[in-house]
Amino acid sequence: QQQVKQSPQSLIVQKGGISIINCAYENTAFDYFPWYQQFPGKGPALLIAIRPDVSEKKEGRFTISFNKSAKQFSLHIMDSQPGDSATYFCAASTDKLIFGTGTRLQVFP
Amino acid sequence: NAGVMQNPRHLVRRRGQEARLRCSPMKGHSHVYWYRQLPEEGLKFMVYLQKENIIDESGMPKERFSAEFPKEGPSILRIQQVVRGDSAAYFCASSPLGGQVTDTQYFGPGTRLTVL
Repeated sequence: QQQVKQSPQSLIVQKGGISIINCAYENTAFDYFPWYQQFPGKGPALLIAIRPDVSEKKEGRFTISFNKSAKQFSLHIMDSQPGDSATYFCAASTDKLIFGTGTRLQVFP
Repeated sequence: NAGVMQNPRHLVRRRGQEARLRCSPMKGHSHVYWYRQLPEEGLKFMVYLQKENIIDESGMPKERFSAEFPKEGPSILRIQQVVRGDSAAYFCASSPLGGQVTDTQYFGPGTRLTVL
């Protein structure tokens, strides 16, 4: 019940395309859902986060869509760029972060 | 304003030795979290500490692992009698408030432990 399931495991997108990463959870006590971006050899960095009282949050090219009834949330990266190539982790939290298994995104020019 | 600092960045130990990983939180942060990341996997929560207190150690293995966050100085994650399965990246994160739903955790660059 503490798991966060993330898909796909890897994603290849052409420059300018839309990258979509999905996550699902079971524990209805989770009430904070951040996304982290991690480059090789670096620590994760917070990208964007949402609380379940809203269904969507947008920051620049990054959008979180949240479906509380389905217990699913997703990250959309619009106009994907080669510099977006990284591993993306969703997470869910009550007091500690439970991470998904990660999606390795590659954006080709 | 320096971010979360971890040292060493890389640590090599032989089986049976001790590993000590250090984490200095961001200035003004008094809450520290440790996570372990195995290759090609997500981060797994290990322990949450405030100054001089362990708040949640539900993710810590019962044996050989310990953590502390003294009043002065960095937080230390200590692994005694290391085994090959301990090889992983260990990340520390800090937050200013702690234990609150929307409190952002800032991660350090990690320590990559290799056990030979």
